[in-house]
Amino acid sequence: ETGVTQSPTHLIKTRGQQVTLRCSSQSGHNTVSWYQQALGQGPQFIFQYYREEENGRGNFPPRFSGLQFPNYSSELNVNALELDDSALYLCASSVGFGNTEAFFGQGTRLTVV
Amino acid sequence: KQEVTQIPAALSVPEGENLVLNCSFTDSAIYNLQWFRQDPGKGLTSLLLIQSSQREQTSGRLNASLDKSSGRSTLYIAASQPGDSATYLCAVRPGTNFGNEKLTFGTGTRLTIIP
Repeated sequence: ETGVTQSPTHLIKTRGQQVTLRCSSQSGHNTVSWYQQALGQGPQFIFQYYREEENGRGNFPPRFSGLQFPNYSSELNVNALELDDSALYLCASSVGFGNTEAFFGQGTRLTVV
Repeated sequence: KQEVTQIPAALSVPEGENLVLNCSFTDSAIYNLQWFRQDPGKGLTSLLLIQSSQREQTSGRLNASLDKSSGRSTLYIAASQPGDSATYLCAVRPGTNFGNEKLTFGTGTRLTIIP
């Protein structure tokens, strides 16, 4: 059984550019959530996908968007990057929703300069 | 709005000691509470999941308790080791608004075990 994997592990982008982060969910998991973790803070919920549809969103602007594919892998896209977007981006997968355990990937460290 | 607090923000203890990390939350309507470990610059490793109907869970040297009515959870680490040094985060999953499954995290306790 493979765990949650994210790519790339590190990324440097220039302000105004666009970025795509990728996540492969754990085998058998059909729900993927994305979180942003600023330095010294707890992760903040961005959005969640269940069976290819968004079913929950946190307090993030529309330039944060996502996709989930039929194999339940997912992408996080951020347009018009700002310096404050620099953070660790975490992907979590689980089975369905409700009383389930979330498993996280190793994260993607995004630096916007 | 659910808020999760972890006190203290940092803790240093000598190797071999038993220790307790605290987590409190403001809304008791939760499905579950999960404790995670995070090493510097890395992702989250799930340690323990406690369902809302449970009082505690154990895994090896770790024991987590949950008092839902008072909005509190503790993570007990027995016989601490230098390898336990990390940041420990707790997170709650809401029990209302079915379908909005976000975890709400505390800011963590940074634990250092002194050899």
